[in-house]
Amino acid sequence: QSALTQPASVSGSPGQSITLSCTGTTSDVGSYNLVSWYQQHPGKAPKLIIYEVSKRPSGVSDRFSGSKSGNTASLTISGLQAEDEADYYCCSYAGSRKFYVFGSGTKVTVL
Amino acid sequence: QVQLVQSGAEVKKPGASVKVSCKASGDTFTGYNMHWLRQAPGQGLEWMGRTNPNTGGTNYAQKFRGRVTMTSDTSISTAYMELRSLKSNDTAVYYCASEVVAGNFDYWGQGTLVTVSS
Repeated sequence: QSALTQPASVSGSPGQSITLSCTGTTSDVGSYNLVSWYQQHPGKAPKLIIYEVSKRPSGVSDRFSGSKSGNTASLTISGLQAEDEADYYCCSYAGSRKFYVFGSGTKVTVL
Repeated sequence: QVQLVQSGAEVKKPGASVKVSCKASGDTFTGYNMHWLRQAPGQGLEWMGRTNPNTGGTNYAQKFRGRVTMTSDTSISTAYMELRSLKSNDTAVYYCASEVVAGNFDYWGQGTLVTVSS
């Protein structure tokens, strides 16, 4: 059982915007601005797309944006494209006992 | 930028040990932490622990303490993860990932499939 809760699947049509949620607790998401998001295509290694809640690494499309409110972090994908179809995992720092916890992942389908 | 190249797939019997390597290039090897994570078939990501190649310091997830050792050889910019007393549910793809920016897994290796089967 994953520490962070993510919806199992989210779908949208090309060009639409979708938002993925990631709910934790006051011990992880709610306490630290070290929330990151990873995109994983089938058979590939995960790729960092958002770090420190809302920052984008160089080279990541600005169609990806992140935010946080209380114990819930969110990833928004705007202008949905076929290449965005993948699994998305959120991760949060959880202090010096647990260190890092992940969500169970959300499968994004482009209709 | 960091490039990470991992060792090849392994097949082990229950009770055996496996040691996976991760060779880094690009940025200074001693300038960032190296993490190890795994992903069981069809499952999500799980953090196993991290090592600081500069100090040799390690932190392990409670689940793996006593069964995992993470080390590094700075002379060849390579990190290692050894997992002992393997069980069938240790079958997974094991990843190394760098932490250049604190709190994130910036760059990932390609993954190493470890299969535990009698």
